[in-house]
Amino acid sequence: QVQLQESGPGLVKPSQTLSLTCTVSGGSISSGSYYWSWIRQPAGKGLEWIGRIYTSGSTNYNPSLKSRVTISVDTSKNQFSLKLSSVTAADTAVYYCARDSGVGGYFDLWGRGTLVTVSS
Amino acid sequence: DIVMTQSPDSLAVSLGERATINCKSSQSVLYSSNNKNYLAWYQQKPGQPPKLLIYWASTRESGVPDRFSGSGSGTDFTLTISSLQAEDVAVYYCQQYYSTPPNTFGPGTKVDIK
Repeated sequence: QVQLQESGPGLVKPSQTLSLTCTVSGGSISSGSYYWSWIRQPAGKGLEWIGRIYTSGSTNYNPSLKSRVTISVDTSKNQFSLKLSSVTAADTAVYYCARDSGVGGYFDLWGRGTLVTVSS
Repeated sequence: DIVMTQSPDSLAVSLGERATINCKSSQSVLYSSNNKNYLAWYQQKPGQPPKLLIYWASTRESGVPDRFSGSGSGTDFTLTISSLQAEDVAVYYCQQYYSTPPNTFGPGTKVDIK
């Protein structure tokens, strides 16, 4: 079955760029009418949707983060990626990649998540 | 953005008893052209990612036990666990996908055993 796995540095310095990759296994990232999303969760807090990408390259971002976020896709590697620039301690969170059903916008498949800490 | 609120913040229910979680959206998430409510429910256990339970407000995801049910329309929704089991201890979130971007989630409701 399709699985998602996040990867990337667990520690990022303030003002630098956070970079994460989500690898899709067990199926093609291009099959089906899915969007591929990034969602984050600070420790002990709720969920915040960051943005999503379609395999055509079309993106949507959360307006609250739009100026700092870039999501890209590499269909040849079955991966999509997140870049978040100018990070601060407030960006410390568990970052999840997730599959957006596309037909609606609910998330039917999630990665296990990766903790990113912003600290000098 | 559509703001989602949930009540209560937490609740403790005896094993085998009913648990009810409420979710309210700041504007209707009912799309009149297809009569669908763009509302989902998730379960998150400690150290795990959220798991989709319900979408379209009342459609159970494949493999989800039938003790979980969703109801409501417009701006007011309910997730009911008809007979609480020990493995249901978790935080439950509602999410609207009517008006995106952004998708928005409720703050969560923690369910414990009394």
